[in-house]
Amino acid sequence: EDQVTQSPEALRLQEGESSSLNCSYTVSGLRGLFWYRQDPGKGPEFLFTLYSAGEEKEKERLKATLTKKESFLHITAPKPEDSATYLCAVHAYAGGTSYGKLTFGQGTILTVHP
Amino acid sequence: KAGVTQTPRYLIKTRGQQVTLSCSPISGHRSVSWYQQTPGQGLQFLFEYFSETQRNKGNFPGRFSGRQFSNSRSEMNVSTLELGDSALYLCASRASVSSYNEQFFGPGTRLTVL
Repeated sequence: EDQVTQSPEALRLQEGESSSLNCSYTVSGLRGLFWYRQDPGKGPEFLFTLYSAGEEKEKERLKATLTKKESFLHITAPKPEDSATYLCAVHAYAGGTSYGKLTFGQGTILTVHP
Repeated sequence: KAGVTQTPRYLIKTRGQQVTLSCSPISGHRSVSWYQQTPGQGLQFLFEYFSETQRNKGNFPGRFSGRQFSNSRSEMNVSTLELGDSALYLCASRASVSSYNEQFFGPGTRLTVL
């Protein structure tokens, strides 16, 4: 069974204090790893897609990286507006009809204090 | 381009009732997936529809069903509601049905079962 584990469950940072969130996965055949941001009471907002080990994507203060077993979301000099829950999800191959199924981790709640 | 829309945004029902939720995907997107989000289980895949056909289904009882119309709009139905069905129900759409590309989520419908 596909498994996605995120750590830590919660992270409190001071504004400007860089850190990383971890997403480790156990899947039969990774076809894509996705990072989302979710604000309270809203749907997840798409951030990044990573397809192969060694791939990196950047957007403003965020940078996502991928290895064969895990992904990291690096946050550089975070601001209070970066406070949210960050979700990691994987697409794993399970036959021709599995394209639409994402398996999510439990998320990391990030709080950035001014 | 308008995002994924879901109606209604909030619903309150009692045990034993049934409920229908609606989702309109991003224009041009033909694949729609549904997810249930709860504090204890996180985001869990319900099913995916493409071309009015269910292509994949998660591990939920038969009380959860869905359908898709020719204009790609989708509905989800839950019959004989139970207290444990209280959750945020999220709909997501994506552009291509035959690849592992990102999904874009709507704001969700918050269902409370009393």
